[in-house]
Amino acid sequence: SQTIHQWPATLVQPVGSPLSLECTVEGTSNPNLYWYRQAAGRGLQLLFYSVGIGQISSEVPQNLSASRPQDRQFILSSKKLLLSDSGFYLCAWRSGLRETQYFGPGTRLLVL
Amino acid sequence: GDSVTQMEGPVTLSEEAFLTINCTYTATGYPSLFWYVQYPGEGLQLLLKATKADDKGSNKGFEATYRKETTSFHLEKGSVQVSDSAVYFCALKDNAGKSTFGDGTTLTVKP
Repeated sequence: SQTIHQWPATLVQPVGSPLSLECTVEGTSNPNLYWYRQAAGRGLQLLFYSVGIGQISSEVPQNLSASRPQDRQFILSSKKLLLSDSGFYLCAWRSGLRETQYFGPGTRLLVL
Repeated sequence: GDSVTQMEGPVTLSEEAFLTINCTYTATGYPSLFWYVQYPGEGLQLLLKATKADDKGSNKGFEATYRKETTSFHLEKGSVQVSDSAVYFCALKDNAGKSTFGDGTTLTVKP
């Protein structure tokens, strides 16, 4: 069966520090991968998606970036965090555009 | 563009009460519709889905029917439990595979 992992689960970082969140999927090949951010009490905002290795599409301009160095690995990064980057970051995957999307456990990021 | 509008929360019910969380959508074409549940501190889990008009999705006592004429996908459960306390998200996926989520509705069930 397929599983999706995210780490770390919780992260507290100072403003201006770098960020690296990792997401990996097991049990499937060539998944479509997604990064979402959920601000407190709000819905999900799609940040990035990827349909293959090295292919990244950005939905919202910001100081975050994403990379997909391997088929089942999706990384969310920032060179300098802002206070407004605080939130709950969710990675998701689906096997094809017509399939259901499945979510990882999330990373709670607090920027102070 | 596509949009999903959910009933605003929070919703507080007593155990065994009837639950309805309204969801309406706007989209071109024939989207698939979903309800996800998020328990405290966790990611989203798929609760149920419907892929075409008049389909009924059901799981764990929850149901939702895809109503194209009213562009709705309301979530219902006949008798809620304390363990149903969570945030519920309505979502759609268009024919291009793009997903759009509602803002979520927080449900609290009291014993």
